[in-house]
Amino acid sequence: DIVLTQTPLSLSVTPGQPASISCRSTQSLLHSDGETHLYWYLQRPGQPPQLLIYEVSSRFSGVPERFSGSGSGTDFTLTISRVEAEDAGTYYCMQGLHLTFGQGTKVEI
Amino acid sequence: EVQLLQSGPEIKEPGASVTISCKVSGYNFTDFYVHWVKQAPGKGLEWMGLVDPTDGESDYAERFQGRITISADTSTDTAYMQLSGLRSDDTAVYYCTVALSGWGQGTLVTVSS
Repeated sequence: DIVLTQTPLSLSVTPGQPASISCRSTQSLLHSDGETHLYWYLQRPGQPPQLLIYEVSSRFSGVPERFSGSGSGTDFTLTISRVEAEDAGTYYCMQGLHLTFGQGTKVEI
Repeated sequence: EVQLLQSGPEIKEPGASVTISCKVSGYNFTDFYVHWVKQAPGKGLEWMGLVDPTDGESDYAERFQGRITISADTSTDTAYMQLSGLRSDDTAVYYCTVALSGWGQGTLVTVSS
């Protein structure tokens, strides 16, 4: 089974500063369809997760440009260029076939 | 707009079964698999399984095999997740999700005697 490992597990960031979260997979997430099925979500307390990034680097509709995703194969990164207060919550990476999730990274602002 | 409306909170005794519904709207129900995800209190997200509404075929995470049944009713655009043999560690919020972007509001299941 594919295991996703996120680092760090918690992060405290000052508003306006950048932040990045790493997600490493035990297997390549490049699918035979040519796509890499790695996704990033933000979950705020008491809410369902919301999709930020799909297929490594594509921002979902309505997601601010300060969020970006990068990586390939087994190593991926979510970057927030300038953190805002509303970005607080827990971030999860996810691989898209059987929806395996990373452990989550709690971001405090 | 894709919307998923889940059934309300449940309180069950150990050993009982629970069935949660997820009614979808805003898209063609048969276009996407419906997945179910578990989130125990203070914990992360765990995939439980999926159903293909087109033909009802399902696939389950190994650790839930034998206790879980996921189904879909195309006449009502509703997916269901049944979990049997409930234990205290099944206390969690359960989400349905489609197309990786649409999520239900979550259903809290509490298992307690």
